[in-house]
Amino acid sequence: EVQLVESGGGLVQPGRSLRLSCTASGFTFGDYAMSWFRQAPGKGLEWVGFIRSKAYGGTADYAASVKGSFTISRDDSKSIAYLQMNSLKTEDTAVYYCSRRSGSSRGDAFDIWGQGTVVTVSS
Amino acid sequence: QSALTQPASVSGSPGQSITISCAGTSSDVGGYNYVSWYKQHPGKAPKLMLYDVSNRPSGVSNRFSGSKSGNTASLTISGLQAEDEADYYCSSYTSSSTLVFGGGTKVTVL
Repeated sequence: EVQLVESGGGLVQPGRSLRLSCTASGFTFGDYAMSWFRQAPGKGLEWVGFIRSKAYGGTADYAASVKGSFTISRDDSKSIAYLQMNSLKTEDTAVYYCSRRSGSSRGDAFDIWGQGTVVTVSS
Repeated sequence: QSALTQPASVSGSPGQSITISCAGTSSDVGGYNYVSWYKQHPGKAPKLMLYDVSNRPSGVSNRFSGSKSGNTASLTISGLQAEDEADYYCSSYTSSSTLVFGGGTKVTVL
């Protein structure tokens, strides 16, 4: 079964750091670009960032709201994508989802999603 | 990058057709055929319904169709069913190599 499982969420104080993990199974992880999204309580979806597969350079792009604070990386040997979040703010409180970029889309469509992990930034 | 504009809510009776619009600019929706649509139930992960404007992933009903004209994309649900009640989001690739979402549309089946 193709599956993504996020972990690492929790309660963290403003200004602190947190690292989320996204563990993949059921597909060849290294062949796919991966992305992180978030959804603040009662709000819509927001794209956080994206990491290409190694075949396309393995580079990452970020939303302006997190650029310089968040870093996405990947370990293809473990089938895990990471989201390192530094200098967290209360407005970063959200459910964080990881997702796999669709192999069928020429654009940025995401066909497999994890269940999400909750990050709460509060003192 | 500003969010795409979607109506907050759309409703219809079972069997009817509804259309959700997604308005952007020439830097996103209008500039690329890379619009996707997602369905989301409260507390659940999004589900991809359409990609590249009008393509359906395997397993998605052909009651869902997409189109684009200028800077506005649309999702049409025909033969509306109770199970279609959910939030729907559009997204588009942008000229800044980022992804932007619409604010979401709540679909209610009357």
